[in-house]
Amino acid sequence: ETGVTQSPTHLIKTRGQQVTLRCSSQSGHNTVSWYQQALGQGPQFIFQYYREEENGRGNFPPRFSGLQFPNYSSELNVNALELDDSALYLCASSPRGGMVTKNIQYFGAGTRLSVL
Amino acid sequence: QKEVEQDPGPLSVPEGAIVSLNCTYSNSAFQYFMWYRQYSRKGPELLMYTYSSGNKEDGRFTAQVDKSSKYISLFIRDSQPSDSATYLCAMSAGAAGNKLTFGGGTRVLVKP
Repeated sequence: ETGVTQSPTHLIKTRGQQVTLRCSSQSGHNTVSWYQQALGQGPQFIFQYYREEENGRGNFPPRFSGLQFPNYSSELNVNALELDDSALYLCASSPRGGMVTKNIQYFGAGTRLSVL
Repeated sequence: QKEVEQDPGPLSVPEGAIVSLNCTYSNSAFQYFMWYRQYSRKGPELLMYTYSSGNKEDGRFTAQVDKSSKYISLFIRDSQPSDSATYLCAMSAGAAGNKLTFGGGTRVLVKP
């Protein structure tokens, strides 16, 4: 059973550019969540996708958007990059199941984005 | 004030000692509680998961939740140098979105 995989592992962009990050969820998982983790801080919830629709969003502007595909993989898109967007972006997937099970989230290794 | 507070450390202990970590929170709707371990430049790894109040033990790890005090703890027995990492507490209300709210993490250093 493969875990959550993210690509690329590291990305360097300049201010104003756009970026797309990708995530493959763990086998048997149907929910994907994205988090932003600034250096020295805990992860902050960006949004979650379930059945290809956004199912909750944190306090992030609309230039952060996402997609979930029929195979449950997901993309995070960020437009008009700002210097403060430099962070580790984490994808997490949750298994199908009852209320307790589906609240468990398993994380990938993350994509480190540097905005210059 | 943050919803979840966690002492950033660093917490330095000798090998074999018990590591004691804790978080406090303000949102009484939280009912799912997790502890993650994160090594430098890696993703968080789930260690323990608890629903509602009570204790849970798994090997060297014990998690405790006291919802009346809005306080959760993680104890690591017989600590090893490989336990040196940042420990994150996370919690969820289980509502639509199931978002996790994290503490800022405690950096732990286990010295040989």
